[in-house]
Amino acid sequence: AQSVTQLDSQVPVFEEAPVELRCNYSSSVSVYLFWYVQYPNQGLQLLLKYLSGSTLVKGINGFEAEFNKSQTSFHLRKPSVHISDTAEYFCAVSNRDDKIIFGKGTRLHILP
Amino acid sequence: DGGITQSPKYLFRKEGQNVTLSCEQNLNHDAMYWYRQDPGQGLRLIYYSQIVNDFQKGDIAEGYSVSREKKESFPLTVTSAQKNPTAFYLCATTLDTGGYTGELFFGEGSRLTVL
Repeated sequence: AQSVTQLDSQVPVFEEAPVELRCNYSSSVSVYLFWYVQYPNQGLQLLLKYLSGSTLVKGINGFEAEFNKSQTSFHLRKPSVHISDTAEYFCAVSNRDDKIIFGKGTRLHILP
Repeated sequence: DGGITQSPKYLFRKEGQNVTLSCEQNLNHDAMYWYRQDPGQGLRLIYYSQIVNDFQKGDIAEGYSVSREKKESFPLTVTSAQKNPTAFYLCATTLDTGGYTGELFFGEGSRLTVL
């Protein structure tokens, strides 16, 4: 069975500062990894995904994530956040045998 | 524009009533999903369908029912048997029926409140 853990339920950060949202997963087989963003009262949209190949994945809105197999992590980073990045971010994992599973989410609060 | 339309966006229901949430897509995707979202709980899968006239239970199917009579439509009924139905409901689709590697496309959600 696979699982995904988002280590922080909320992350406050000042505008224009860097941010890292942490995600760890467990799986006995090769995984596919995703980050989704949800703005208030909306559905989720895909930020980026790792299926194979380069471990550094770039996504929309200046976000990137790095797949680290030895640490079973897929942390999301942005070098400089903007007030418009205020949202909830979900890490998700799937594999060829299982449907996608979502973490519980991390709320990103941008401080002025 | 291609997309997923969920309706209604907000719905209030009295205890003991069944309600049906609509999900329509014009993306020509084969697979459709219903998720329930509660604060701090992430997304939990209720039902999914990979093909017309076929659907499977997800992790929390009790108290819910679905149908898939058309490729474009996957309505969810929240029955009176659902003990705690107040939640935000999200419909999603994927192009590939496996849903493993493909991107999930989401509707804007329906917020159900039981009075």
